[in-house]
Amino acid sequence: EDQVTQSPEALRLQEGESSSLNCSYTVSGLRGLFWYRQDPGKGPEFLFTLYSAGEEKEKERLKATLTKKESFLHITAPKPEDSATYLCAVQDYGGSQGNLIFGKGTKLSVKP
Amino acid sequence: ETGVTQTPRHLVMGMTNKKSLKCEQHLGHNAMYWYKQSAKKPLELMFVYSLEERVENNSVPSRFSPECPNSSHLFLHLHTLQPEDSALYLCASSPRTGSYEQYFGPGTRLTVT
Repeated sequence: EDQVTQSPEALRLQEGESSSLNCSYTVSGLRGLFWYRQDPGKGPEFLFTLYSAGEEKEKERLKATLTKKESFLHITAPKPEDSATYLCAVQDYGGSQGNLIFGKGTKLSVKP
Repeated sequence: ETGVTQTPRHLVMGMTNKKSLKCEQHLGHNAMYWYKQSAKKPLELMFVYSLEERVENNSVPSRFSPECPNSSHLFLHLHTLQPEDSALYLCASSPRTGSYEQYFGPGTRLTVT
C-alpha cells in the first residue's frame, strides 16, 4: 500500500537557522513527488515537482532533493514569512489517474 | 493568486440541509479534483474529473454528489451531511490527469451542525 510519511510533525526555528524537512515514501513506481506550502485558512500552494532520484530543485531559500526512498526540503536561513505547513505528495505509476497521496505535513514556525 | 476560485469560503449547515460548493478554474486545465482536509489527517482525494468525465471516485458516501458541467467549473452538492463531514473542502485543477502539478483553490470551510 502506498504511504507517505513526513517528519517532524512540527519544527520551530530561529530566523536564520537552516534545517531540513523529510518526506519518506513507499510506492510501487514513482511517477512524481510534489512539495506544497499551505498557509492557515488557505489552499496548498505548489512549490516543486521531482521525478527521479538525484534530481534537485531550488526556489529562493528552499531546495528540494529526491532519493529512491525519500525527499528532503532544505530551508536555508529561513525568515518568519517561511512559517507554514509544508506538504509532500506522491503519484504512483500503479495508482489511479491524478491520485496524489499526501503526507500529514510539517508545520514550520520561524521566530524572529 | 492561484487561478482557482471557490465559493462560498465558509458554510454552516444543518444535517437536513442541501447546499452546493462551487469551484472555477481560469487556467485552461482539463482535469479538476475535489479533496477533503480534516484536522490531523492528510488530504483525501474525493473525485477526479477529466474533460468533464468522472474518472475517479474514492469510495465517497453518496451524500456527496459532484457535477462537472464543463472543464472550467466543478460543483459538490451536499445533502444530509453528518457532523464528521465538517472539514476544509479543496478544489484543484491540472493540465491533465497524470504526473502534473495540481493547483488548489482557497477551500470552503464547512461546518455541519
